[in-house]
Amino acid sequence: GQNIDQPTEMTATEGAIVQINCTYQTSGFNGLFWYQQHAGEAPTFLSYNVLDGLEEKGRFSSFLSRSKGYSYLLLKELQMKDSASYLCAVRSRGSTLGRLYFGRGTQLTVWP
Amino acid sequence: NAGVTQTPKFQVLKTGQSMTLQCAQDMNHEYMSWYRQDPGMGLRLIHYSVGAGITDQGEVPNGYNVSRSTTEDFPLRLLSAAPSQTSVYFCASSYSFVSHSSYEQYFGPGTRLTVT
Repeated sequence: GQNIDQPTEMTATEGAIVQINCTYQTSGFNGLFWYQQHAGEAPTFLSYNVLDGLEEKGRFSSFLSRSKGYSYLLLKELQMKDSASYLCAVRSRGSTLGRLYFGRGTQLTVWP
Repeated sequence: NAGVTQTPKFQVLKTGQSMTLQCAQDMNHEYMSWYRQDPGMGLRLIHYSVGAGITDQGEVPNGYNVSRSTTEDFPLRLLSAAPSQTSVYFCASSYSFVSHSSYEQYFGPGTRLTVT
């Protein structure tokens, strides 16, 4: 089975840095995704990690440690538009090709 | 490319009614899936398909049917609607793990369903 945990809510100030953590337990790991979802909209892809280490994409970075079952999403130079829910998702290995298991999401509020 | 499209955007049903939520993609993706999203519950997988003619159940399949007769379309049928099926439904598609290195799932805009 899969168990994915992330904080329910976080707040931060415009221009600051915030780190959203995700821990997972899975019977077969084949990659971890972060998605962003604004209220009333569909999730959109942010990042993908399958090997240990840091992946950087502009203001967003994502880190993975497979041995610890741990990932984080780092958002720098926060902007008001970054207020959204951030979803951590784990891809399973084996017969369920492509299947993603999602955490419950972290609602980030950015204050001016 | 239109990406992933879903119809309708909003729907109100009475308990016991049936309906089909439509999903289509024009990216030639092998993998398609249906999720429901409820407050505090995250995205939960209902059914998925790894190619035309192949479907399987996800975490919460009861009360829903799917079929995949073409690569492009993956409709979700509610057999007899219940208030517990009030939710936002998202369809998603991606290349399969085997055939492409691109792992991203693309989501449709969602269908907001209320069952009274």
